[in-house]
Amino acid sequence: DGGITQSPKYLFRKEGQNVTLSCEQNLNHDAMYWYRQDPGQGLRLIYYSQIVNDFQKGDIAEGYSVSREKKESFPLTVTSAQKNPTAFYLCASSKGWESAFMNTEDFFGQGTRLTVV
Amino acid sequence: SQQGEEDPQALSIQEGENATMNCSYKTSINNLQWYRQNSGRGLVHLILIRSNEREKHSGRLRVTLDTSKKSSSLLITASRAADTASYFCATVPYNTDKLIFGTGTRLQVFP
Repeated sequence: DGGITQSPKYLFRKEGQNVTLSCEQNLNHDAMYWYRQDPGQGLRLIYYSQIVNDFQKGDIAEGYSVSREKKESFPLTVTSAQKNPTAFYLCASSKGWESAFMNTEDFFGQGTRLTVV
Repeated sequence: SQQGEEDPQALSIQEGENATMNCSYKTSINNLQWYRQNSGRGLVHLILIRSNEREKHSGRLRVTLDTSKKSSSLLITASRAADTASYFCATVPYNTDKLIFGTGTRLQVFP
């Protein structure tokens, strides 16, 4: 079955450590996105990638880094520079620029809850 | 920055009543979507309405879009306790491929 998979579901990190969140899709989607959600709030865009080997900053990119070496994968690294990393992180994918989020075949993963201890 | 704002922030109703949530946004859009999120879970896509559409139905859901007022509403009819969740509107601003979310409405349906 096609879909988008985030792992792990829960992640604990000590302060000062970098941590990488995984996002994989087998939908042959060109575009992938990372969002952050804080309690009781909406989603904010961290980074997005329209095509392999290319990505752009979203609204809150500071303290995060990404890579897009493969079409299927878009890992997000939360660096020690991110001051408030505890949050719920959602990954999404979309067919591509011309049809991005234009139909219901665009998907969200189930999320990773990151807690800094 | 967030594109949309939902109103109300929280809504409590009894089973069987209708629930109406409103969303306002700032810029021209390609489409607007409504999502549901159960507590601490991923997003479930509910309905998509394109900028040239004014109303759309899906089961007990009715969405309207007024591009002149930059606003949308989601109506859930005959609500059920299982409808308890947070509901978000999201827009694809014109000439972009980004999905920008609003702040959400927390709906509580009491049995």
